[in-house]
Amino acid sequence: QKEVEQDPGPLSVPEGAIVSLNCTYSNSAFQYFMWYRQYSRKGPELLMYTYSSGNKEDGRFTAQVDKSSKYISLFIRDSQPSDSATYLCAMKGNNRLAFGKGNQVVVIP
Amino acid sequence: DTAVSQTPKYLVTQMGNDKSIKCEQNLGHDTMYWYKQDSKKFLKIMFSYNNKELIINETVPNRFSPKSPDKAHLNLHINSLELGDSAVYFCASSQAGLAGVGNEQFFGPGTRLTVL
Repeated sequence: QKEVEQDPGPLSVPEGAIVSLNCTYSNSAFQYFMWYRQYSRKGPELLMYTYSSGNKEDGRFTAQVDKSSKYISLFIRDSQPSDSATYLCAMKGNNRLAFGKGNQVVVIP
Repeated sequence: DTAVSQTPKYLVTQMGNDKSIKCEQNLGHDTMYWYKQDSKKFLKIMFSYNNKELIINETVPNRFSPKSPDKAHLNLHINSLELGDSAVYFCASSQAGLAGVGNEQFFGPGTRLTVL
């Protein structure tokens, strides 16, 4: 089993819809969870960072962590065409860092 | 004013050649990283340096050698390039190493390496 599993998609949604992305992981040492957004031909940029189970909101973005199920999610409300990008989950702990494969999201105007 | 910069942006070369990619950060960060992103967008950490000292060295062929002349620079030298080395290589930096909390990594724009 891979350390981090993320369904690569792609995922196409109409503008205004809710985008739901998720990752599962197997390494219990992971304690910090991140979502990165990567536009085409650019480097990843940090979108959300959390280290506790529960929800964290930042504008239209909500990161959700369930450590007991080893499952994290990212929700994007009122999606915009500018949200079209690849979203990568990442997690770290015990001096290890691992990324998911990334999920390509296309928001159709 | 670019925070993490890499040169070159594109690199096309023949198999067997030796090439270098340079990275510089002006954020005053202590830790720098090299990542490889393959054609399927899978991002994998290769190396991590903290204050010029190698911290992480994932399973990477020894044809890849990082060099950190000072904490603002981390260069990647690749010997005897192979077809499978074709990928986008990202440099990144953070204030502290992976053990740090709330430790955002800032990524460079990437170097697209194509080995023919």
